[in-house]
Amino acid sequence: EVQLVQSGAEVKKPGESLKISCKGSGYSFTSYWIGWVRQMPGKGLEWMGIIYPGDSDTRYSPSFQGQVTISADRSISTAYLQWSSLKASDTAMYYCVSAWAVASYFDYWGQGTLVTVSS
Amino acid sequence: QSVLTQSPSVSGAPGQRVTISCTGSSSNIGAGYDVHWYQQLPGTAPKLLIYGNSNRPSGVPARFSGSKSGTSASLAITGLQAEDEADYYCQSYDSSLSGWVFGGGTKLTVL
Repeated sequence: EVQLVQSGAEVKKPGESLKISCKGSGYSFTSYWIGWVRQMPGKGLEWMGIIYPGDSDTRYSPSFQGQVTISADRSISTAYLQWSSLKASDTAMYYCVSAWAVASYFDYWGQGTLVTVSS
Repeated sequence: QSVLTQSPSVSGAPGQRVTISCTGSSSNIGAGYDVHWYQQLPGTAPKLLIYGNSNRPSGVPARFSGSKSGTSASLAITGLQAEDEADYYCQSYDSSLSGWVFGGGTKLTVL
């Protein structure tokens, strides 16, 4: 059974750094793209970026380029989303997703990680 | 402002048929990229509902169907049930942005 299991909820202060994770299981981690989707409170879904763990090819939405960093550790089948300096506007639910190819659909979703940034 | 445009809300009585539209442009749906649909029940992660314009993943009832024409796509739900009350999102790929794009979402209310 394919599963994407995300790390737990985080509460941070503005200016702090953060790295959240998404562990894949039940499939070949290096053969599928792993992406991240943001959902701000009461709002819709926004694609942030995606990585192909097989060769670390990483692509970002223009809206998120330079704001976050996506990475993956093939040895532990885990993808990451990180911020170097959080803002209050980063408060949102973040979902990791899997895709079998560029331009394909997101067939599996993680349970979500709620990030709250508040002073 | 989302790249794909959806009506914010739609409603219907149990047993009725509703449709949700998704309008794009020549750089996404009109360029031939497939449209996919997701259902997000309250308080849960989104779930793939329709892929490749009209295909249903295993376990999705036949009451849900999708279609695509030109720069638009539609999701139809027949025999509306109370448990269909959710947010629905369309998704495609955009060649100008070189990335995945979503619609703004449509909230379905079952009266």
